[in-house]
Amino acid sequence: GQQVMQIPQYQHVQEGEDFTTYCNSSTTLSNIQWYKQRPGGHPVFLIQLVKSGEVKKQKRLTFQFGEAKKNSSLHITATQTTDVGTYFCAGNSGGSNYKLTFGKGTLLTVNP
Amino acid sequence: ETGVTQTPRHLVMGMTNKKSLKCEQHLGHNAMYWYKQSAKKPLELMFVYNFKEQTENNSVPSRFSPECPNSSHLFLHLHTLQPEDSALYLCASSQWRTDTQYFGPGTRLTVL
Repeated sequence: GQQVMQIPQYQHVQEGEDFTTYCNSSTTLSNIQWYKQRPGGHPVFLIQLVKSGEVKKQKRLTFQFGEAKKNSSLHITATQTTDVGTYFCAGNSGGSNYKLTFGKGTLLTVNP
Repeated sequence: ETGVTQTPRHLVMGMTNKKSLKCEQHLGHNAMYWYKQSAKKPLELMFVYNFKEQTENNSVPSRFSPECPNSSHLFLHLHTLQPEDSALYLCASSQWRTDTQYFGPGTRLTVL
């Protein structure tokens, strides 16, 4: 079945440093979604990427979708303590056999 | 965010108890989901309901029994659970099966 691998599992940075998490799917995706879960909270939708090679920005966050639509990345520039949480990617297989598969997530901690 | 509500927020139950988790969405969505989130594991999709019909059951043990009386409400009936079933149970909804999912705050379940 479809697998979505996400690395790294954990990342600890100093405030102000950059952060990147990577997501790889075993199959070509229809689209990919990114979610953030704050400690003690629930996943909250951040963004969806649909087109091959698509790049979207939300303030300090940059999301990319690979040309082959099998990988994606989330990059945070100059992290802040408010960025702490677990970032999940979720790949959508699309078609009649729609299935959204979540990666294991990357837990980001930021040292002030 | 109050689009998707879940009750109770915390639940402690013995292995012989019967309890139910409730989820309600106020977003007019057509699809609803139950997820299990354990420590060190990815989000595990348990059940999917689309227009009140169950469309997915990901090999969930029969001690978990879902019920979807209408598009706005989703229940998860629990009976004779095991300690390893202790986890955060998240409900989510989406407009269509392929859309962004909106998560509720979750029910933190502890099975003694």
